[in-house]
Amino acid sequence: NAGVMQNPRHLVRRRGQEARLRCSPMKGHSHVYWYRQLPEEGLKFMVYLQKENIIDESGMPKERFSAEFPKEGPSILRIQQVVRGDSAAYFCASSPEGQGLKPQHFGDGTRLSIL
Amino acid sequence: QKEVEQDPGPLSVPEGAIVSLNCTYSNSAFQYFMWYRQYSRKGPELLMYTYSSGNKEDGRFTAQVDKSSKYISLFIRDSQPSDSATYLCAMKPRAGGTSYGKLTFGQGTILTVHP
Repeated sequence: NAGVMQNPRHLVRRRGQEARLRCSPMKGHSHVYWYRQLPEEGLKFMVYLQKENIIDESGMPKERFSAEFPKEGPSILRIQQVVRGDSAAYFCASSPEGQGLKPQHFGDGTRLSIL
Repeated sequence: QKEVEQDPGPLSVPEGAIVSLNCTYSNSAFQYFMWYRQYSRKGPELLMYTYSSGNKEDGRFTAQVDKSSKYISLFIRDSQPSDSATYLCAMKPRAGGTSYGKLTFGQGTILTVHP
């Protein structure tokens, strides 16, 4: 399967714990994007990364959230000290190099539940 | 006012009907337009993408863009029960600036095609 791979598919955390969500882009893609989908709401942009570089983090909450895309390995979305409001589906997308209309392809998401 | 408005439906049609899904937008910087389909518990699947005003056809799907009216549509001909899903419009600016990677989504329209 050469698609965008996200893991885990489901993640349960207690309030105050840390959540780490991983995303491996499609083969040949070097750009990664994270989106959040809250119940009854649409997909909201969080952050756009290239290898070792954050391009746009305008959608990231100011505290507790961070993202990285290292030179080797998957992209990681990290949520520290989770709260009930962090419960959502988190989707990763990837696209090839270059600007212009480079369509983003999505993974099947990680569903985060906070107890 | 939301940047992208999409009627959430739900929309229920008989098999074989022509379906029309629509979005309006307010940000004239949006130049690239996409339609995604999302099945329950899955990630968005890219259906069509375009940057030009006018029509683009792919099988049973036709995407229509009217930039002067800030209005986009997706038409599905000969609809099938397997088309039952949530349809999301998405758009982004042309390259330039750090926000060119950010997709802004409509809320999604829930479509049911019954046999």
